[in-house]
Amino acid sequence: EDKVVQSPLSLVVHEGDTVTLNCSYEVTNFRSLLWYKQEKKAPTFLFMLTSSGIEKKSGRLSSILDKKELFSILNITATQTGDSAIYLCARRHNNAGNMLTFGGGTRLMVKP
Amino acid sequence: DGGITQSPKYLFRKEGQNVTLSCEQNLNHDAMYWYRQDPGQGLRLIYYSQIVNDFQKGDIAEGYSVSREKKESFPLTVTSAQKNPTAFYLCASDPGQDNSPLHFGNGTRLTVT
Repeated sequence: EDKVVQSPLSLVVHEGDTVTLNCSYEVTNFRSLLWYKQEKKAPTFLFMLTSSGIEKKSGRLSSILDKKELFSILNITATQTGDSAIYLCARRHNNAGNMLTFGGGTRLMVKP
Repeated sequence: DGGITQSPKYLFRKEGQNVTLSCEQNLNHDAMYWYRQDPGQGLRLIYYSQIVNDFQKGDIAEGYSVSREKKESFPLTVTSAQKNPTAFYLCASDPGQDNSPLHFGNGTRLTVT
């Protein structure tokens, strides 16, 4: 089945904490896995992962894909209140289009 | 600035009425998508279009219809057949190139009473 499952569903931390968000999927043959951050409106693109074991970094955020174990993680170090958002991961289908199957998201709240 | 514009931001309708949500992009993207988001849930694909005058059903197309008469525009109609239309609707586009990320509009929040 084509499911993308994210955990935890929600998370409350304090500024300065480090968090790890999880994304697991069931389809082995796919093109890429994407992470998005959604604050109030449009999701904004964070990372696209295509190769297993290669970490992508952007400031305090990093992400890695494990194609053997079928999961990805998104790490946020030294969290700030501005990191509060819903984090979505999505698997890109292995077809001619760019369709995505999204997970249910992780709602992160960072308290001062 | 190039981008995706969804209108209106908020929409209120009575049950039994059809309603059309607008999505316009000036990014010259070939592919456009409509997603639905319910509270605490991820995005579910309603319809997508990879080229003008062509579109396909997504996972939850029942009760919805679309058209793609122009490259820039991909309006979504929520019909009275949609049993639970109250939701947040997001339109997205991409250039159709391999592995290009989707660009999203700011969404329309539809409330049907």
